[in-house]
Amino acid sequence: NAGVTQTPKFRILKIGQSMTLQCTQDMNHNYMYWYRQDPGMGLKLIYYSVGAGITDKGEVPNGYNVSRSTTEDFPLRLELAAPSQTSVYFCASRPGTGGERPQHFGDGTRLSIL
Amino acid sequence: GESVGLHLPTLSVQEGDNSIINCAYSNSASDYFIWYKQESGKGPQFIIDIRSNMDKRQGQRVTVLLNKTVKHLSLQIAATQPGDSAVYFCAETPYNQAGTALIFGKGTTLSVSS
Repeated sequence: NAGVTQTPKFRILKIGQSMTLQCTQDMNHNYMYWYRQDPGMGLKLIYYSVGAGITDKGEVPNGYNVSRSTTEDFPLRLELAAPSQTSVYFCASRPGTGGERPQHFGDGTRLSIL
Repeated sequence: GESVGLHLPTLSVQEGDNSIINCAYSNSASDYFIWYKQESGKGPQFIIDIRSNMDKRQGQRVTVLLNKTVKHLSLQIAATQPGDSAVYFCAETPYNQAGTALIFGKGTTLSVSS
């Protein structure tokens, strides 16, 4: 059981480049989330999805886009990379029924913008 | 905005001691709380959760206490082991939080020496 899988694990981008961070889960969870974690800080929500075809903004969505074409996949897109987007990005998922269910996290993508 | 915070950024204990990690939250609308453990280079790992209608919940070597009167959450780890060394985050879900996303505090780094 792989859980939540994120690729790539590391990436270095130049300012202005674009890339897609991949996230897939094999637990048939309806809810999926993208967070970013800056050094010494907790996680902040970027975008989330409550099911295929449905996405919504979180606390820090600027500079990012997402799509949810299937239950399993929830890619995060950076269109014009900026140094402020240097961070560790975590994808998470949880079952959609009931509000009190813990989120399960991937191991993150470490992204540096130079 | 309202957020979950932790009282101490670091905690150092000896192997075999009991550890107590504290967390204060400010959103009285929160009704679900989770403790996560994050090891270096890994994503947050679920430890234990508690609903707002409870004041104590026990797991294997861990206990979470919730005091809604003073908006305080704590994680107790019995017989702390070197493998418990990690950053610990508390997280909350306010009742009306869109998408049931989690709000994280900054974390407490637990160091266990043998």
